[in-house]
Amino acid sequence: GMPVEQNPPALSLYEGAESGLRCNFSTTMKGVQWFQQNHRGRLITLFYLAQGTKENGRLKSTFNSKERYSTLHIKDAQLEDSGTYFCAVENSGTYQRFGTGTKLQVVP
Amino acid sequence: EAAVTQSPRNKVTVTGGNVTLSCRQTNSHNYMYWYRQDTGHGLRLIHYSYGAGNLQIGDVPDGYKATRTTQEDFFLLLELASPSQTSLYFCASSNRGQDERLFFGHGTKLSVL
Repeated sequence: GMPVEQNPPALSLYEGAESGLRCNFSTTMKGVQWFQQNHRGRLITLFYLAQGTKENGRLKSTFNSKERYSTLHIKDAQLEDSGTYFCAVENSGTYQRFGTGTKLQVVP
Repeated sequence: EAAVTQSPRNKVTVTGGNVTLSCRQTNSHNYMYWYRQDTGHGLRLIHYSYGAGNLQIGDVPDGYKATRTTQEDFFLLLELASPSQTSLYFCASSNRGQDERLFFGHGTKLSVL
């Protein structure tokens, strides 16, 4: 399959801090989706992008198909942002494949 | 928000057992998917379907069957369960062609002893 690499594998942030997560893929993709898996194991959809940038509150995501990466930026981190963040990428005509995730811990 | 319901939430069976996991979505999405999640692998696609009666294989189909009986219902079948199939299983749906987002159920934790 198409490798999907996420960096970093794990991250610790203080409350109020900000950081970016990265999703790299090996071929040109049609779209990318970002999810948060919370402490109960629930997968929550954050963004789907076919191009460009989307923003929702403290979260912002970009998708650069040509350069083969996507980013998720979290600002003013809150305790409830803790969890594992997955990207999933889709090639035209196939289905979404997931990265192995970034485990984020927000500490007081 | 799309509603995807999985049952059971937890299941324990023995090696060689027969297990059926159920998934229902109520938003008339065309695509439905079964994933398994294991530590170190993220989510991997087992089977998916683009409509009632249709079945497509994913990346890790061995040992699994699936059936899409209606637009709403997608079942995953393990006819001879093995310990390697101990995992967390997620069902998802999407309305491809209109909205590419995946919407997930709560997951089913399966243990094969």
